[in-house]
Amino acid sequence: KAGVTQTPRYLIKTRGQQVTLSCSPISGHRSVSWYQQTPGQGLQFLFEYFSETQRNKGNFPGRFSGRQFSNSRSEMNVSTLELGDSALYLCASSLASTSGPGELFFGEGSRLTVL
Amino acid sequence: AQKVTQAQTEISVVEKEDVTLDCVYETRDTTYYLFWYKQPPSGELVFLIRRNSFDEQNEISGRYSWNFQKSTSSFNFTITASQVVDSAVYFCALSRGAGNQFYFGTGTSLTVIP
Repeated sequence: KAGVTQTPRYLIKTRGQQVTLSCSPISGHRSVSWYQQTPGQGLQFLFEYFSETQRNKGNFPGRFSGRQFSNSRSEMNVSTLELGDSALYLCASSLASTSGPGELFFGEGSRLTVL
Repeated sequence: AQKVTQAQTEISVVEKEDVTLDCVYETRDTTYYLFWYKQPPSGELVFLIRRNSFDEQNEISGRYSWNFQKSTSSFNFTITASQVVDSAVYFCALSRGAGNQFYFGTGTSLTVIP
């Protein structure tokens, strides 16, 4: 069974540019979450999508946005990049569950460097 | 507010030693879920365990065991007879249960020396 696939794996941008990251969840998983991982702040929740709707949102500025398509694939976009946006962006998918949050299956991440 | 604290930033042990990773959480919710994840050098986070707030029973899985104590708001993780393959960063996380929004601790980097 294929895991969570994130593209691109590495990218370099300059300040002011925008970037789009893509995530393909495990087949059958309808929940997709995004996390930012940095050495200083650790893992921070960005947002979660379920059935094409944003279900939860973390404390990030409006420059960070996302969406989910009908096939559960998700994209996140960061506009007007800042140096502090340099991070590993992790996508995680999960089965929908009525008994609380499920196990998250993480991708390998997209490492963004902003120069 | 939800918060997870992993006070141990880095731990080094010699192979075959036992090691305990501490996790303290804060929440006002009565229903919540606790998790442990492992992030090996390859980078991909791997799920280890999930516990809900109503289940304080300790769990053992092979060399791994977890001690959940609501009285001290702790969910500690012990590796018995550590092995080099256990070297990784371990994260404790909390979820309120409304969707899959997780609050992660800052992680404990474990190095097992052969």
